[in-house]
Amino acid sequence: DTAVSQTPKYLVTQMGNDKSIKCEQNLGHDTMYWYKQDSKKFLKIMFSYNNKELIINETVPNRFSPKSPDKAHLNLHINSLELGDSAVYFCASSQEINRGSTDTQYFGPGTRLTVL
Amino acid sequence: SQQGEEDPQALSIQEGENATMNCSYKTSINNLQWYRQNSGRGLVHLILIRSNEREKHSGRLRVTLDTSKKSSSLLITASRAADTASYFCATRGYSTLTFGKGTMLLVSP
Repeated sequence: DTAVSQTPKYLVTQMGNDKSIKCEQNLGHDTMYWYKQDSKKFLKIMFSYNNKELIINETVPNRFSPKSPDKAHLNLHINSLELGDSAVYFCASSQEINRGSTDTQYFGPGTRLTVL
Repeated sequence: SQQGEEDPQALSIQEGENATMNCSYKTSINNLQWYRQNSGRGLVHLILIRSNEREKHSGRLRVTLDTSKKSSSLLITASRAADTASYFCATRGYSTLTFGKGTMLLVSP
């Protein structure tokens, strides 16, 4: 009965490969997010989807493409992986994203991506 | 950027002591939230304080907000070894949450 789950937990791959990380939430939330946490623990928003529609797309290389088949899933596909992509990627969800909302976010356990 | 900045970067205390972490931000906010991250885990929401509130309590947690100084503090009273974690403030502005770099708290038995 995990609220926000991600797979895989660890991902080790070579430069140039394409990989995907999956995320699912069973909280019935409308909004899902992807964050990247670097080695200094700085957490940066990458994307946000609300009801399967892209709401926020920060300055992320277009090698990163989120896909939301339904509002309970937000997967992250990364093409042509680079060394700098090594980080921990967190999926999160919240009830809403509207301005003024108290959008407590629920985080998944993270996926540690290592690019060799 | 309205990114929060936590201070100190790291804090080491003994069990039973109080721990105070500070957060400063740059622009107007709607609310400010504190999250905890245990090593190797995702972030967990602790407490939220709205921009029109000055203080909030939850168990051993006390959060203050001073919008004139654009700062917040998180106080953990009677700390326990299990409180060892990184603590992040996150500011809610127009779009979504923006996280600070965190304070790493170590509570020794």
